[in-house]
Amino acid sequence: GNSVTQMEGPVTLSEEAFLTINCTYTATGYPSLFWYVQYPGEGLQLLLKATKADDKGSNKGFEATYRKETTSFHLEKGSVQVSDSAVYFCALKIGSSASKIIFGSGTRLSIRP
Amino acid sequence: DTAVSQTPKYLVTQMGNDKSIKCEQNLGHDTMYWYKQDSKKFLKIMFSYNNKELIINETVPNRFSPKSPDKAHLNLHINSLELGDSAVYFCASSPSLGYGGDTEAFFGQGTRLTVV
Repeated sequence: GNSVTQMEGPVTLSEEAFLTINCTYTATGYPSLFWYVQYPGEGLQLLLKATKADDKGSNKGFEATYRKETTSFHLEKGSVQVSDSAVYFCALKIGSSASKIIFGSGTRLSIRP
Repeated sequence: DTAVSQTPKYLVTQMGNDKSIKCEQNLGHDTMYWYKQDSKKFLKIMFSYNNKELIINETVPNRFSPKSPDKAHLNLHINSLELGDSAVYFCASSPSLGYGGDTEAFFGQGTRLTVV
């Protein structure tokens, strides 16, 4: 079946540190991959996406590259800020638009000033 | 001009009651979803509708019944509420056929349901 596995949190970093949140997936077809972010008290927002192998999604200084050979979509940021504190979800989607989006378990990120 | 809006934002109710959560999207999307987020932040899909037709119905107690009066609305009705129903419920929508699998979902702000 299709599934997403991401690193368990919480992850606590100091401001300006380098961030990596690992995400790997299992899929029967060719998924599109997403990172969503949930700020405290809010709904999920799309952070970035990649639709095919070797695509790189980027937004707000975050990047993730679709690696088919390692079935991974790791999230990275070179210098985190306190405002990046949130829960990050890796997700995949296969097939028609009506198909479900499968989320990972979420990784809580806390950034210390 | 919120894209996906849910009401209410907070809902506190007693066990055994029946309650509804409303969801509306003004994005012109044909597909709408309900997700449940538990206390550990795990997101699980409950239902998906496409053009008012039920497409996905995951293993959810039949006390939960979605209703889609038109493609811009997907309401969630819950009968005989139980303590374990306490969670945050998210509505979402995405574009329809012709866009393939790369269409992301747009989420509402969530409804925090607390059953006491």
